[in-house]
Amino acid sequence: AQKVTQAQTEISVVEKEDVTLDCVYETRDTTYYLFWYKQPPSGELVFLIRRNSFDEQNEISGRYSWNFQKSTSSFNFTITASQVVDSAVYFCALSERQTGANNLFFGTGTRLTVIP
Amino acid sequence: DAGVTQSPTHLIKTRGQQVTLRCSPKSGHDTVSWYQQALGQGPQFIFQYYEEEERQRGNFPDRFSGHQFPNYSSELNVNALLLGDSALYLCASSLRRLAATDTQYFGPGTRLTVL
Repeated sequence: AQKVTQAQTEISVVEKEDVTLDCVYETRDTTYYLFWYKQPPSGELVFLIRRNSFDEQNEISGRYSWNFQKSTSSFNFTITASQVVDSAVYFCALSERQTGANNLFFGTGTRLTVIP
Repeated sequence: DAGVTQSPTHLIKTRGQQVTLRCSPKSGHDTVSWYQQALGQGPQFIFQYYEEEERQRGNFPDRFSGHQFPNYSSELNVNALLLGDSALYLCASSLRRLAATDTQYFGPGTRLTVL
């Protein structure tokens, strides 16, 4: 069965610090997709990134970077030089080709607070 | 480019009542999925609609039903409301393609409170 674990429930950092959000997943499917979403207090889930299981290349987008490692079933998210606007709940999610590629399984989220 | 819209924003109902939530997908999208997010939890998949049919369903009882209209908009209906149905209901849209997954884009959600 599929599972997404975000062990960090809450993280607090001081502005300009770097922070890494952990995500560990379980799946039996050989083709799967990983996502990160941001949920600010307004409630809307904002798409950040999608990764396919056959593409382990790490990605950097501005202050955001993602480290995908199939060997450890992890898809970690790093924010460099954090800002107050980064404060939100961040969700890691998984979808599998076998169970329906549009069915997202979410972790329980990590609440990030950036202190000015 | 219009994003996903949902209505109403907030809703208060009492146990046993019925509720209908509405969603309009992002421009160009044809698939709508619904998720329930309880407080402090991640969203849980309810079901997905494509070509006006329910294509996939999560672990939710038959009290949860839906509909998709020819213009791709969708409704989520919940009958015989329970206190445990209190949650944020999120709608997501995507463009369906064969043998691929498409990124889902979410609306702002409807906050349902059952008293």
